[in-house]
Amino acid sequence: QVQLVESGGGVVQPGRSLRLSCAASGFAFSSYGMHWVRQAPGKGLEWVALISFDEISKNYTDSVKGRFTISRDNSKNTVYLQMNSLRAEDTAVYYCAKDMKWLLNNYYFEYWGQGTLVTVSS
Amino acid sequence: DIQLSQSPSFLSASVGDRVTITCRASQGISSSLAWYQQKPGKAPKLLIYAASTLQSGVPSRFSGSGSGTEFTLTISSLQPEDFATFYCQQLDGFPPTFGPGTKVDIK
Repeated sequence: QVQLVESGGGVVQPGRSLRLSCAASGFAFSSYGMHWVRQAPGKGLEWVALISFDEISKNYTDSVKGRFTISRDNSKNTVYLQMNSLRAEDTAVYYCAKDMKWLLNNYYFEYWGQGTLVTVSS
Repeated sequence: DIQLSQSPSFLSASVGDRVTITCRASQGISSSLAWYQQKPGKAPKLLIYAASTLQSGVPSRFSGSGSGTEFTLTISSLQPEDFATFYCQQLDGFPPTFGPGTKVDIK
């Protein structure tokens, strides 16, 4: 069965960096786009970033452009989110999610990890 | 960005009730809409995609309809495990956006 396991969350001061990881199993990881979606405490869902199966396409929501970088290692079935210059408003549970479409990106989030909490606070 | 609104934002219902949640888009999005269910402390779960296609493994009491700017999620007979928050999501415009959610609580 599909499993996505995030790690790397924690408490970090404003302006500092953090890298999240998401280890995937149970599907052909190298054939699917992967996303990060976040949810601030008590709030709704916000899509953050996408990386295509072949790493050619990387898309970001405007609020993280230039600060966050999504990457993947298909040999390790892992997707990453490097978060720099963190702000208080980045505080959220970060979920990785598998795109539904094989070899394409259709932005349906078919499977989700359990999430990892990032708290940006001094 | 395409904005999504949901109504109601909160719904109190009993087991066995028929429940309908509406999602409205700020512009036409064809059928590019999904519905997710999220229980407290858990990740969202995909219920319906392409406005009306039931995701594999999702009970048939869930159904979706609509196109353009107005969409509905219907639960034909609410079960105890269905109490949760439901979100719609559009993928017609970039970035993909979610509605604010509808919390379904026990009456």
